Amino acid sequence: DIVMTQSPDSLAVSLGERATINCKSSQNILSSSNNKNYLAWYQHKPGQPPKLLIYWASMRESGVPDRFSGSGSGTDFTLTISSLQAEDVAVYFCQQYYTPYTFGQGTKLEIK
Amino acid sequence: QITLKESGPTLVKPTQTLTLTCTFSGFSLTTNGVGVAWLRQPPGKALEWLASINWEGQKGFRPSLQNRLTVTKDTSKNQVVLTLSKMDPMDTATYFCAHRPDNDVSPYFQHWGRGTLVTVSS
Repeated sequence: DIVMTQSPDSLAVSLGERATINCKSSQNILSSSNNKNYLAWYQHKPGQPPKLLIYWASMRESGVPDRFSGSGSGTDFTLTISSLQAEDVAVYFCQQYYTPYTFGQGTKLEIK
Repeated sequence: QITLKESGPTLVKPTQTLTLTCTFSGFSLTTNGVGVAWLRQPPGKALEWLASINWEGQKGFRPSLQNRLTVTKDTSKNQVVLTLSKMDPMDTATYFCAHRPDNDVSPYFQHWGRGTLVTVSS
């Protein structure tokens, strides 16, 4: 199985500041056939369904604020929230869908 | 608007079989490429994929659990049913179902249910 490792496990950021979450896969998840990274990011708030934020490592899902961005390729990926808002408090997790599906352990984001 | 909702028992005894139903709306499991997956998250641990079924009825299972898992679909009811046999306390988890829009174009999980907590205890 492809192991997804996120860092840090928890993060406290001041309102308006940048938050950065990293995700590393144990194997390359960049497909040579379509040059796409099989990586998604989700936001999960208690009592709510997980919400897709980013797919193909950098494509923002419709309706997701543009303060959320994804980057990286191959085995190393980053989710960045450019200016933290109070409603961004949540657990964020990455997922590879290359073969078949595995997830990072999650990063809990709080307000400092 | 796409919604999914998991339903089933909240408490099962060891050795029993768990049956969970995912009832969805806003999409059809007869549409080319569409799939529904079951996943779970044990307390304090990462999410893990359990099983999937697609529009053609093709199924996939987590290798370590494939002998205990079944998944079926009822397209007339917009439901996908998961069974997990020989339940053990280690199977205590929040169970989710999720919608995959297209196997080739968008194979990620675009919509999820809220999840249902299942506890295994005698």
